[in-house]
Amino acid sequence: GDSVTQMEGPVTLSEEAFLTINCTYTATGYPSLFWYVQYPGEGLQLLLKATKADDKGSNKGFEATYRKETTSFHLEKGSVQVSDSAVYFCALSGLTFGEGTQLTVNP
Amino acid sequence: GAVVSQHPSRVICKSGTSVKIECRSLDFQATTMFWYRQFPKQSLMLMATSNEGSKATYEQGVEKDKFLINHASLTLSTLTVTSAHPEDSSFYICSAPGQVLYEQYFGPGTRLTVT
Repeated sequence: GDSVTQMEGPVTLSEEAFLTINCTYTATGYPSLFWYVQYPGEGLQLLLKATKADDKGSNKGFEATYRKETTSFHLEKGSVQVSDSAVYFCALSGLTFGEGTQLTVNP
Repeated sequence: GAVVSQHPSRVICKSGTSVKIECRSLDFQATTMFWYRQFPKQSLMLMATSNEGSKATYEQGVEKDKFLINHASLTLSTLTVTSAHPEDSSFYICSAPGQVLYEQYFGPGTRLTVT
């Protein structure tokens, strides 16, 4: 069946550092791919999405490119802020989620 | 964007009692809603799919009689945890599909604590 694998956390970075959170997937067909962010005590918010191969989703300085050849959708940000501290979930066609990666950004 | 609300945001109940959690789509209609359970530091586990006008579809291993789901209208789905026990304590999240295929709009979640 479909599955999503995220890099294990937690990830701790200093402010302005470069962020990469890896996500790979297994699926039949051509799924849509999503990154969601969850702040403490809250539900999930859509961060960005890509619906077909080579699409790049971007929002709030975060980017991820749908790579069909490597079945990946890695999340990147060039300069993280303290306010980016949250849990990030990679998701496949909306209902299959990765394990989540806790990101902590220190000032 | 579309908004999904949940009520209550937090609830504490005694073991053996029942608790109802509401999920509402505020500015759009949702014939389908999804209920998830999230354990601390873990991913979301899909519990069931709530369908307006028909029975909910439960995922394998989820007790239908314990987690009652009713999709009363095009904007409201409820999850009732019956005869709650401490092991039911968790964060429950609902979602509704968006206009983009497979996109989900999530509620803010409900923290249930059973004492």
